[in-house]
Amino acid sequence: EVLLVQSGPEMKKPGESLRISCKGVGYNFPPYWIGWMRQKPGKGLEWMGIVYPADSDTRYSPSFQGQVTISADKSINTAYLQWNSLKASDSAMYFCARSLTRDDFEIWGQGTLVTVSS
Amino acid sequence: QSALTQPPSASGTSGQTVTVSCSGTSSNVGSNYVYWYQQLPGTAPKLLIYRNNRRPSGVPDRFSGSKSGTSASLVISGFRSEDEADYYCAAWDTSVGGHYVFGSGTTVTVL
Repeated sequence: EVLLVQSGPEMKKPGESLRISCKGVGYNFPPYWIGWMRQKPGKGLEWMGIVYPADSDTRYSPSFQGQVTISADKSINTAYLQWNSLKASDSAMYFCARSLTRDDFEIWGQGTLVTVSS
Repeated sequence: QSALTQPPSASGTSGQTVTVSCSGTSSNVGSNYVYWYQQLPGTAPKLLIYRNNRRPSGVPDRFSGSKSGTSASLVISGFRSEDEADYYCAAWDTSVGGHYVFGSGTTVTVL
Protein backbone atom coordinates (compact mmCIF):
# COMPACT_ATOMS: atom_id res chain seq x y z
CA GLU A 1 0.00 0.00 0.00
CA VAL A 2 1.24 3.49 -0.90
CA LEU A 3 1.18 5.90 2.02
CA LEU A 4 2.59 9.22 3.13
CA VAL A 5 3.26 9.12 6.86
CA GLN A 6 3.73 12.45 8.59
CA SER A 7 5.44 13.17 11.90
CA GLY A 8 3.40 13.69 15.05
CA PRO A 9 1.78 16.80 16.53
CA GLU A 10 4.04 19.58 17.75
CA MET A 11 3.61 22.18 20.47
CA LYS A 12 6.11 25.02 20.27
CA LYS A 13 6.72 28.53 21.59
CA PRO A 14 7.01 31.64 19.39
CA GLY A 15 10.54 32.10 18.11
CA GLU A 16 11.39 28.39 18.24
CA SER A 17 12.44 26.39 15.19
CA LEU A 18 10.69 23.31 13.87
CA ARG A 19 11.03 20.70 11.15
CA ILE A 20 8.20 18.29 10.34
CA SER A 21 8.51 15.31 8.05
CA CYS A 22 6.62 13.30 5.46
CA LYS A 23 7.82 9.78 4.62
CA GLY A 24 6.78 7.88 1.53
CA VAL A 25 5.96 4.23 2.20
CA GLY A 26 5.41 1.59 -0.45
CA TYR A 27 6.94 3.54 -3.34
CA ASN A 28 10.12 5.38 -4.34
CA PHE A 29 10.06 9.17 -4.17
CA PRO A 30 11.28 9.87 -7.71
CA PRO A 31 9.59 10.63 -10.06
CA TYR A 32 6.98 12.16 -7.77
CA TRP A 33 6.81 15.69 -6.38
CA ILE A 34 5.88 16.31 -2.74
CA GLY A 35 3.75 19.34 -1.94
CA TRP A 36 2.95 20.96 1.39
CA MET A 37 -0.41 22.50 2.26
CA ARG A 38 -1.54 24.52 5.27
CA GLN A 39 -5.03 24.49 6.75
CA LYS A 40 -5.88 26.76 9.65
CA PRO A 41 -8.76 25.73 11.94
CA GLY A 42 -12.07 26.13 10.15
CA LYS A 43 -10.37 27.54 7.04
CA GLY A 44 -9.49 26.41 3.53
CA LEU A 45 -6.44 24.79 2.00
CA GLU A 46 -3.38 26.87 1.11
CA TRP A 47 -0.58 25.60 -1.13
CA MET A 48 2.79 26.40 0.41
CA GLY A 49 5.23 24.89 -2.04
CA ILE A 50 6.55 21.75 -3.66
CA VAL A 51 9.80 19.81 -3.96
CA TYR A 52 11.07 17.32 -6.56
CA PRO A 53 13.17 14.91 -4.49
CA ALA A 54 15.09 13.62 -7.53
CA ASP A 55 17.01 16.91 -7.88
CA SER A 56 15.63 19.05 -4.99
CA ASP A 57 13.98 21.49 -7.39
CA THR A 58 11.72 23.57 -5.10
CA ARG A 59 8.94 26.07 -5.81
CA TYR A 60 7.19 28.26 -3.24
CA SER A 61 3.92 30.12 -3.08
CA PRO A 62 4.58 33.89 -3.04
CA SER A 63 2.74 33.91 0.31
CA PHE A 64 5.21 31.49 1.90
CA GLN A 65 8.48 32.36 0.11
CA GLY A 66 11.05 33.24 2.76
CA GLN A 67 8.80 32.06 5.59
CA VAL A 68 9.48 28.32 5.39
CA THR A 69 11.99 25.94 3.83
CA ILE A 70 10.92 22.83 1.93
CA SER A 71 13.43 20.07 1.30
CA ALA A 72 13.70 16.34 0.68
CA ASP A 73 16.10 13.43 1.15
CA LYS A 74 15.42 10.92 -1.60
CA SER A 75 17.71 8.34 0.03
CA ILE A 76 15.19 7.91 2.85
CA ASN A 77 12.03 8.82 0.93
CA THR A 78 11.35 11.78 3.23
CA ALA A 79 10.34 15.38 2.65
CA TYR A 80 10.54 18.19 5.19
CA LEU A 81 8.89 21.49 6.05
CA GLN A 82 10.96 23.77 8.26
CA TRP A 83 10.56 27.03 10.17
CA ASN A 84 13.45 28.99 11.69
CA SER A 85 11.32 31.19 13.94
CA LEU A 86 7.72 30.20 14.55
CA LYS A 87 4.88 32.66 15.07
CA ALA A 88 1.51 32.08 16.68
CA SER A 89 -0.03 32.54 13.23
CA ASP A 90 1.80 29.37 12.06
CA SER A 91 -0.57 27.28 14.19
CA ALA A 92 -2.36 25.02 11.74
CA MET A 93 -2.67 21.54 10.31
CA TYR A 94 -0.03 20.82 7.67
CA PHE A 95 -0.52 18.20 4.97
CA CYS A 96 1.96 16.73 2.54
CA ALA A 97 0.79 15.16 -0.71
CA ARG A 98 2.28 13.35 -3.70
CA SER A 99 1.97 14.49 -7.30
CA LEU A 100 3.35 13.13 -10.55
CA THR A 101 2.81 16.33 -12.54
CA ARG A 102 2.99 19.01 -9.78
CA ASP A 103 -0.74 19.56 -9.82
CA ASP A 104 -2.53 16.25 -9.17
CA PHE A 105 -2.16 15.54 -5.47
CA GLU A 106 -3.38 11.96 -5.45
CA ILE A 107 -1.95 10.64 -2.17
CA TRP A 108 -2.10 12.70 1.04
CA GLY A 109 -0.48 12.33 4.43
CA GLN A 110 -2.62 12.24 7.56
CA GLY A 111 -1.59 15.76 8.57
CA THR A 112 0.62 17.22 11.30
CA LEU A 113 -0.93 19.63 13.79
CA VAL A 114 1.40 22.45 14.79
CA THR A 115 0.46 24.62 17.76
CA VAL A 116 2.51 27.71 18.55
CA SER A 117 1.70 29.36 21.85
CA SER A 118 3.53 31.08 24.66
CA GLN B 1 -7.80 35.84 -0.34
CA SER B 2 -7.99 32.73 -2.52
CA ALA B 3 -7.11 33.02 -6.19
CA LEU B 4 -10.07 30.83 -7.18
CA THR B 5 -13.59 31.82 -6.12
CA GLN B 6 -16.17 29.31 -4.93
CA PRO B 7 -19.54 29.79 -3.23
CA PRO B 8 -19.18 29.23 0.54
CA SER B 9 -21.99 26.71 0.66
CA ALA B 10 -24.29 24.51 -1.40
CA SER B 11 -26.91 21.99 -0.46
CA GLY B 12 -29.24 19.39 -1.87
CA THR B 13 -31.62 16.60 -0.94
CA SER B 14 -30.76 12.96 -1.49
CA GLY B 15 -30.91 12.12 -5.18
CA GLN B 16 -30.69 15.71 -6.35
CA THR B 17 -27.99 17.21 -8.54
CA VAL B 18 -25.65 19.58 -6.73
CA THR B 19 -23.30 21.90 -8.62
CA VAL B 20 -20.26 23.69 -7.22
CA SER B 21 -18.74 26.49 -9.29
CA CYS B 22 -15.14 27.69 -9.43
CA SER B 23 -14.10 30.96 -11.00
CA GLY B 24 -10.53 31.86 -11.86
CA THR B 25 -8.51 33.90 -14.30
CA SER B 26 -6.61 33.46 -17.56
CA SER B 27 -3.41 32.63 -15.63
CA ASN B 28 -4.90 29.68 -13.77
CA VAL B 29 -8.23 28.07 -14.75
CA GLY B 30 -8.14 29.66 -18.19
CA SER B 31 -4.83 28.08 -19.18
CA ASN B 32 -4.31 25.03 -16.94
CA TYR B 33 -6.08 21.91 -15.81
CA VAL B 34 -8.57 22.12 -12.95
CA TYR B 35 -8.58 19.67 -10.05
CA TRP B 36 -11.24 19.00 -7.42
CA TYR B 37 -10.67 17.70 -3.90
CA GLN B 38 -13.14 16.40 -1.35
CA GLN B 39 -12.43 16.81 2.36
CA LEU B 40 -14.65 14.91 4.77
CA PRO B 41 -14.77 16.29 8.33
CA GLY B 42 -11.58 15.61 10.27
CA THR B 43 -9.78 13.91 7.39
CA ALA B 44 -7.16 14.70 4.76
CA PRO B 45 -8.37 15.88 1.36
CA LYS B 46 -8.92 13.35 -1.41
CA LEU B 47 -8.44 13.88 -5.15
CA LEU B 48 -11.89 13.71 -6.75
CA ILE B 49 -11.40 15.02 -10.30
CA TYR B 50 -8.16 15.58 -12.23
CA ARG B 51 -7.41 17.26 -15.56
CA ASN B 52 -10.81 19.01 -15.63
CA ASN B 53 -13.03 15.95 -15.96
CA ARG B 54 -11.23 12.69 -15.17
CA ARG B 55 -12.00 10.52 -12.16
CA PRO B 56 -9.32 8.59 -10.27
CA SER B 57 -9.98 4.91 -9.78
CA GLY B 58 -12.53 4.37 -7.04
CA VAL B 59 -14.33 7.71 -7.34
CA PRO B 60 -18.05 7.13 -8.05
CA ASP B 61 -19.28 8.22 -11.47
CA ARG B 62 -21.89 10.50 -9.85
CA PHE B 63 -19.02 13.00 -9.55
CA SER B 64 -18.15 14.85 -12.75
CA GLY B 65 -16.17 17.94 -13.67
CA SER B 66 -16.15 20.41 -16.52
CA LYS B 67 -14.36 23.57 -17.55
CA SER B 68 -15.19 26.45 -19.85
CA GLY B 69 -12.92 29.46 -20.21
CA THR B 70 -11.98 30.75 -16.76
CA SER B 71 -14.71 28.82 -14.93
CA ALA B 72 -15.10 25.22 -13.84
CA SER B 73 -17.83 23.16 -12.22
CA LEU B 74 -18.14 20.06 -10.11
CA VAL B 75 -21.44 18.21 -10.44
CA ILE B 76 -22.70 15.63 -7.97
CA SER B 77 -25.52 13.66 -9.57
CA GLY B 78 -27.71 11.63 -7.26
CA PHE B 79 -26.45 13.39 -4.14
CA ARG B 80 -25.99 11.15 -1.07
CA SER B 81 -25.62 12.04 2.60
CA GLU B 82 -22.07 10.64 2.59
CA ASP B 83 -21.18 13.34 0.04
CA GLU B 84 -21.49 15.99 2.77
CA ALA B 85 -18.02 17.51 2.77
CA ASP B 86 -15.91 20.50 1.83
CA TYR B 87 -14.98 20.70 -1.84
CA TYR B 88 -12.02 22.62 -3.23
CA CYS B 89 -11.08 23.41 -6.80
CA ALA B 90 -7.43 23.98 -7.65
CA ALA B 91 -5.19 24.80 -10.59
CA TRP B 92 -1.63 25.72 -11.41
CA ASP B 93 -1.19 29.48 -11.81
CA THR B 94 1.42 30.64 -14.29
CA SER B 95 1.79 34.14 -12.81
CA VAL B 96 4.61 35.15 -10.43
CA GLY B 97 6.95 32.29 -11.33
CA GLY B 98 4.28 29.61 -11.21
CA HIS B 99 2.45 28.26 -8.18
CA TYR B 100 -0.59 26.19 -7.30
CA VAL B 101 -3.78 27.79 -6.04
CA PHE B 102 -6.80 26.39 -4.25
CA GLY B 103 -10.31 27.74 -4.32
CA SER B 104 -11.90 29.17 -1.19
CA GLY B 105 -13.85 25.95 -0.63
CA THR B 106 -17.53 25.04 -0.67
CA THR B 107 -19.28 23.23 2.16
CA VAL B 108 -21.91 20.94 0.71
CA THR B 109 -24.66 19.76 3.06
CA VAL B 110 -27.77 17.66 2.79
CA LEU B 111 -31.09 19.39 3.30
